[in-house]
Amino acid sequence: QSVLTQPPSASGTPGQRVTISCSGSSSNIGSNTVNWYQHLPGTAPKLLIYSNNQRPSGVPDRFSGSKSGTSASLAISGLQSEDEADYYCAAWDDGLNGLYVFGTGTKVTVL
Amino acid sequence: EVQLVESGGALVQPGGSLRLSCAASGFTFSSYWMHWVRQAPGKGLVWVSRINEDGTGTRYADSVKGRFTISRDNAKNTVYLQMNSLRAEDTAVYYCARVYCSGGSCSSGFNYWGQGTLVTVSS
Repeated sequence: QSVLTQPPSASGTPGQRVTISCSGSSSNIGSNTVNWYQHLPGTAPKLLIYSNNQRPSGVPDRFSGSKSGTSASLAISGLQSEDEADYYCAAWDDGLNGLYVFGTGTKVTVL
Repeated sequence: EVQLVESGGALVQPGGSLRLSCAASGFTFSSYWMHWVRQAPGKGLVWVSRINEDGTGTRYADSVKGRFTISRDNAKNTVYLQMNSLRAEDTAVYYCARVYCSGGSCSSGFNYWGQGTLVTVSS
């Protein structure tokens, strides 16, 4: 049972902007940085955003992250068909004896 | 090039044991924490365990604590996950992962992942 809550689904048409929220608490998002992953079935997860709003090299600038208090969000602008995937937020949780937690996951559908 | 290659996944009966391995290459293995993450069929990603650089510090998700043991052999560039008392709910693809480091500092994001190894617990 995850302590980071995401909406189960989100959708948009090509070119639109989609935002995914991630709600946590003071022991995880409130005191640690947030990471975002994209996961396609049958493949390894891909790190999209680290340290709240940083992109690893090779990740398009269409993906952006932000954090405020105990919540974080991922925005995908200029939605493309290849963005259809599952997205997860994640962070360390100091209140769980130093465990790493993933969010519940959001399935993004490109209509 | 950083590579992580898992192995050891198999079909095992409930109550059985299995040891997963993750062979690393392309980086100084002994300098990094390593993690195991799993995904059960139709479910989300779940962090399982982590081990520090020299193997003296470990942490486990509550769901596996007392049953799984993470270890590493820095001479062999390999991290292991010993899984005992396996249950049906342990059925999942297991990934090993390493954090992303850039400019001399490391984040908490996992940028390097293996291809995953499937563990099926069933009679």
